[in-house]
Amino acid sequence: QVQLVESGGGVVQPGRSLRLSCAASGFTFSTYNMHWVRQAPGKGLEWVAVIWYDGSNKYYADSVKGRFTISRDNSRNTLYLQMNSLRPEDTAVYYCARERGSMTTGIGWFDIWGQGTLVTVSS
Amino acid sequence: SSELTQDPAVSVALGQTVRITCQGDSLRRYYASWYQQKPGQAPVVVIYGKNNRPSGIPDRFSGSSSGNTASLTITGAQAEDEADYYCNSRDSSGNHWVFGGGTKLTVL
Repeated sequence: QVQLVESGGGVVQPGRSLRLSCAASGFTFSTYNMHWVRQAPGKGLEWVAVIWYDGSNKYYADSVKGRFTISRDNSRNTLYLQMNSLRPEDTAVYYCARERGSMTTGIGWFDIWGQGTLVTVSS
Repeated sequence: SSELTQDPAVSVALGQTVRITCQGDSLRRYYASWYQQKPGQAPVVVIYGKNNRPSGIPDRFSGSSSGNTASLTITGAQAEDEADYYCNSRDSSGNHWVFGGGTKLTVL
């Protein structure tokens, strides 16, 4: 079945790095734009980053730009999020999500989500 | 503007109708999508586009849009609809995305 499974979360000290992975299965990964979305404890959803289906374009939320890098390996059906210079405010559950729709139609949504992986930034 | 604004909390009596709204400049250009999130679970899309429901979403969920405001309506709210609801769309640039702050729906 269509599925996204995140991994790589854990406890990390401020200023350190962590890499999250999102393994996709059940669909042609290389044809979809993919996103990372996070949710701090007790807070709302925050969009983090998107990477186009072929990796040609990447966009980031201002809160992570310059510190986080989104990437993908279409041969391994895997999405990544490299997180550097982590801060306590980066503590959150990180979800990967599949994008549907297109900018030209004005319609876009996230139809498949992973279960999330918790990142805790604390000394 | 890259913000979407939602009321923090809304309540509805069992079986009644409730509307949850989302305001933002980007909604003049892009449709909102709506997500339901229950505690400890990942979000699930309930409405996307003009008024589209994914397979498995009850038809009591519907969406509409006018100007800079998108709305999610639940007609005949059920106890299982109690959840947090988030709107989402591209921002005005089209390259970034933004979520509303979320609305906590209580079914009385």
